[in-house]
Amino acid sequence: DTGVSQDPRHKITKRGQNVTFRCDPISEHNRLYWYRQTLGQGPEFLTYFQNEAQLEKSRLLSDRFSAERPKGSFSTLEIQRTEQGDSAMYLCASRGSTDYGYTFGSGTRLTVV
Amino acid sequence: TQLLEQSPQFLSIQEGENLTVYCNSSSVFSSLQWYRQEPGEGPVLLVTVVTGGEVKKLKRLTFQFGDARKDSSLHITAAQPGDTGLYLCAGAEDNFNKFYFGSGTKLNVKP
Repeated sequence: DTGVSQDPRHKITKRGQNVTFRCDPISEHNRLYWYRQTLGQGPEFLTYFQNEAQLEKSRLLSDRFSAERPKGSFSTLEIQRTEQGDSAMYLCASRGSTDYGYTFGSGTRLTVV
Repeated sequence: TQLLEQSPQFLSIQEGENLTVYCNSSSVFSSLQWYRQEPGEGPVLLVTVVTGGEVKKLKRLTFQFGDARKDSSLHITAAQPGDTGLYLCAGAEDNFNKFYFGSGTKLNVKP
């Protein structure tokens, strides 16, 4: 078990470009979460999946954001037409059905210039 | 507006001192968690509390969940430089699928 993996660790992109991040959860965890963390703040909930079903999305997740979890394994988070306000750390976490707490990945740091 | 307010925001102390950080809300939570986060990394779960009045100890760390399940505290005894980090509390209102995080307490323990 290598924990939750996120790729890439860092991404610098120009405003208006599309970016995609990947998260590989702990293999036996059926729940997967995306959070966003800006400097000086705690993580903010974006969305979560149980297996392949996306069960809840935050209003923070505008129509430029889309997340998928095909086959209930890895997940991708895509941001289209990036804006400077999208600059943040994007954190992925997973949880087993009998666990209380999340296991977080190391995050993807996005910088939009 | 943060659902959970953490205080203090920053704390700088000498090695060996004791400290307490607080997590307060007007909302009732079914469970509350504490995480520690280091720069450039994701948060790491320290403890989960689910019962009002519950106290849990993890070596030099003592966690307490308020009787009304609206607040929590984290007490560290004899702090060490390795305790340095951002301490986050997170509460869930009904299940474990969506946690609201506080802004954190940034702790620096000087040798």
